[in-house]
Formats: sequence, structure tokens, C-alpha cells
Amino acid sequence: AQKVTQAQTEISVVEKEDVTLDCVYETRDTTYYLFWYKQPPSGELVFLIRRNSFDEQNEISGRYSWNFQKSTSSFNFTITASQVVDSAVYFCALSEGIQGAQKLVFGQGTRLTINP
Amino acid sequence: DVKVTQSSRYLVKRTGEKVFLECVQDMDHENMFWYRQDPGLGLRLIYFSYDVKMKEKGDIPEGYSVSREKKERFSLILESASTNQTSMYLCASSLDGPAHGGTEAFFGQGTRLTVV
Repeated sequence: AQKVTQAQTEISVVEKEDVTLDCVYETRDTTYYLFWYKQPPSGELVFLIRRNSFDEQNEISGRYSWNFQKSTSSFNFTITASQVVDSAVYFCALSEGIQGAQKLVFGQGTRLTINP
Repeated sequence: DVKVTQSSRYLVKRTGEKVFLECVQDMDHENMFWYRQDPGLGLRLIYFSYDVKMKEKGDIPEGYSVSREKKERFSLILESASTNQTSMYLCASSLDGPAHGGTEAFFGQGTRLTVV
């Protein structure tokens, strides 16, 4: 069965520190997609990134970067020079496709608090 | 921009009531989903639909049903609300994608349901 584990329930850092959110997944599929979503206090999940299983290149987008390693089944997310606005709950997810529909399996989420 | 709108942000219902949660998306997406979010458990899929009048059970369908009479609208129904259904409910939609579900899902703002 598909499974996503985010072992860090809560993280609290001081502004401008770097922080890494861990994500480990399990799947038997050879083709799959991994996602990160951000849930700010407003409640709506915001899509951050998608990565397919054949693309192991790391990605950087501004202060955000993602490290995908199939060998360890991990898809970790790093925020560099964190800001108070980064405070949110972050979810890692794995997709399971059925007839083209995206069925997402989510991790438990990591609540990130950035203190001024 | 894709917009997924849930009819209520907050609801309080009594045990035994029949409860309807409504979700509308405006981007002609084929797929729609209902998730439930609970602390420490992440998001769990209740039901999803990949076409009008089509529905599939997710991981926790017990006590719920759904209706999709029109492409843009997906309703979640609690036939007889119970206190253990107190939770945050999130609706999502996505385009039809490749067999392994590579398209990102867009989420509504959530409905926080309290059953007393």
C-alpha cells in the first residue's frame, strides 16, 4: 500500500534560519508523482511542487528547494532564510492514479512555526 | 485561476442530522475529491469522482455518501451525523491526467464541521 511519513510533527525556528522538512514514502509503483502542499492558517492547501519518479533532479525555487532521492524513498523540502510568512502546515503527498484521477495519499503534516 | 468553493466555512450540526457539504469548481475539471483532515492523521480520502454520476470509495467512506449530478458540483452527505465526524472537510478538483495521476489537485478553503 502507498504510504507517506512525515516524522516531524512540529518544527519551530527563528526567522532567517534554514529548515528542512522530511518526507519518506512507500510505493510499489515504478511510476508515481510526489507533491508538497502548504496549508496557511486560512485553511486552503496551496500546491508547491510536483515531481515524477523519473526526475531525480533537485529543484530550487527562490528560497525553496527540494531534494528527491529514490534510493532512500525521500522527498525533502528545505526553506532557506525562513520568514514568518512561511509559518504553515506542510504536507507531502504521493499520487496513486486510477483512470487518470489523482488520488493523493498524504503524510501527517508538519506544522512549521517561524518566530520573529 | 482555478477556484474551488465550499459552501460553508463553519457548520455546527446535531447528532443524527443529515448534513450536506457542497463543493463547486469553475475550471471544468473531470476529477473531484472529498478529504477529511484530522490532527496527526493528515488528509484522508473519503470519496472521489472522475466523471459525472461516477463515484469511487476512498480510504474512509463509512458513514458518508456523495453525489455528482453536474460536472462542477460534488456533494458530500453525512446520512446521520455522529460526533466522530467532527472534522475539517476539504474538497479538491483536478484535471484528468496520465495513468499515474500526475496532475496537481486544487483545494477549497475547507469546512470545519462540529457535530454536537
